[in-house]
Amino acid sequence: QSVLTQPPSVSGAPGQRVTLSCTGSDSNIGAGYDVHWYQQFPGTAPKLLIYDNNHRPSGVPDRFSGSKSGTSASLAITGLQAGDEADYYCQSFDGSLSNSVFGGGTKLTVL
Amino acid sequence: QVQLVQSGAEVKKPGASVKVSCKASGYTFTGNFIHWVRQAPGQGLEWMGRINPNSGGTNSAQDFRGRVTVTSDTSITTAYMELRSLTSDDTAMYYCISGLGLRDEAGFHYWGQGTLVTVSS
Repeated sequence: QSVLTQPPSVSGAPGQRVTLSCTGSDSNIGAGYDVHWYQQFPGTAPKLLIYDNNHRPSGVPDRFSGSKSGTSASLAITGLQAGDEADYYCQSFDGSLSNSVFGGGTKLTVL
Repeated sequence: QVQLVQSGAEVKKPGASVKVSCKASGYTFTGNFIHWVRQAPGQGLEWMGRINPNSGGTNSAQDFRGRVTVTSDTSITTAYMELRSLTSDDTAMYYCISGLGLRDEAGFHYWGQGTLVTVSS
C-alpha cells in the first residue's frame, strides 16, 4: 500500500488533455512538501518530469504541467501523443515517516 | 553532464548480502544527496534510503532498517548500498539517484541505469 495514492490507469485519445491525480495526507503533500513527477517507459529508468510541484526540467515539453492543492497534486498532459504512453509516478516527502514516498504509479494508455 | 554509473547485475542466494556501487561524475559529489530506490518486477518504485555525502549522515526507510547500509567514498565520488539477509522478495532493479542539493524534499533529478539483483536458490 503506497503512502501516495494514484489511479492505476488513465487513458485518452491523441490530442486530448488528461489529468493524473496523486492524493496524500497532512504529513506529506498537505504539510507543504513539494511533489515531483516521473515518467517511466518499459525497461528504462524513470525520468524526472516535473519537480517542485510545477517546474519542468530542461527538455520537458510544456505539454506537461503540475499543480498542487491541499493534500493532492495533479499532472496534466495536453495534446496527448502516442509517445506519452508510459507509467507515471508522483513522489513527495513524508514528515511523519522522515521518508521520501512514492505513489503506486499510473499507467497512461493512448487510445 | 551528470552521470551515475552503477555496478553490474548480481545473482545471490537467499540469506546472502549484495553491495551495489554508484559512480557519480559531472557535479560536486558532496553537494547532492544520493538516494536508493528499488523496483520489483512489474511493481512500483520504493524508496530505500539516502546518504549525505558531505556529512556521511544517512536515513533509511522503516521497512529496511537493520538490513540496509548506505555509504559513500568522497575520494572516488562513489556511493554504495548494501542489503543483507536477502530473500526472493528482494529481487528487483535497484537505482541510485542524485537529488538537487542537500534537501530531503528535493526531487530525484539524475538516475543511474539500474542494477538488477536476482535472489534465487
